[in-house]
Amino acid sequence: RKEVEQDPGPFNVPEGATVAFNCTYSNSASQSFFWYRQDCRKEPKLLMSVYSSGNEDGRFTAQLNRASQYISLLIRDSKLSDSATYLCVVNLGNTGFQKLVFGTGTRLLVSP
Amino acid sequence: NAGVMQNPRHLVRRRGQEARLRCSPMKGHSHVYWYRQLPEEGLKFMVYLQKENIIDESGMPKERFSAEFPKEGPSILRIQQVVRGDSAAYFCASSPGRGTGVSEKLFFGSGTQLSVL
Repeated sequence: RKEVEQDPGPFNVPEGATVAFNCTYSNSASQSFFWYRQDCRKEPKLLMSVYSSGNEDGRFTAQLNRASQYISLLIRDSKLSDSATYLCVVNLGNTGFQKLVFGTGTRLLVSP
Repeated sequence: NAGVMQNPRHLVRRRGQEARLRCSPMKGHSHVYWYRQLPEEGLKFMVYLQKENIIDESGMPKERFSAEFPKEGPSILRIQQVVRGDSAAYFCASSPGRGTGVSEKLFFGSGTQLSVL
């Protein structure tokens, strides 16, 4: 079983749509959680951290369920510029050591 | 304020040659990470270094791969006797390493695309 599993997609949605991505992780010792965005195999860029209490950043909402080892990302009012691959990431490291484990990513295509 | 600088951006090598990938962390960052992304796969952790020390190399292949982060100069990922399976994007990331906890942000470089002919 992969340490971080994501549906590879692609998710094809029209502009303005709401889309949700899910991710599961296998290591219950995971310390922290993130969503990254990667465009065309360029460097991954941090989108947001994920907390159990849920957190929102503009059109993006992330949620963590530690009991189910499940992470989600919701994108509202999709823009063309949201087209990218979204990487679910867990950190297995401890203080100061960021041992990030990346999922293979979910590809999103937003069309006009 | 320059970010994490990696060079070269693209590197072509023939089987059996050596590949050297360089990474200069952000100014003030003392921690460097190397990740590899094979085609159609996610990024995989390779090694974590602080100045002059390898802290965790659990993701490094046992043979042909080595990494260093000297007191002066960039971090180097060295691959000896490259094979076609080494073709991948190699990303470097850095962090301040000020012990701010597990959510300390990593800053990634643009990567080096290694192609082995």
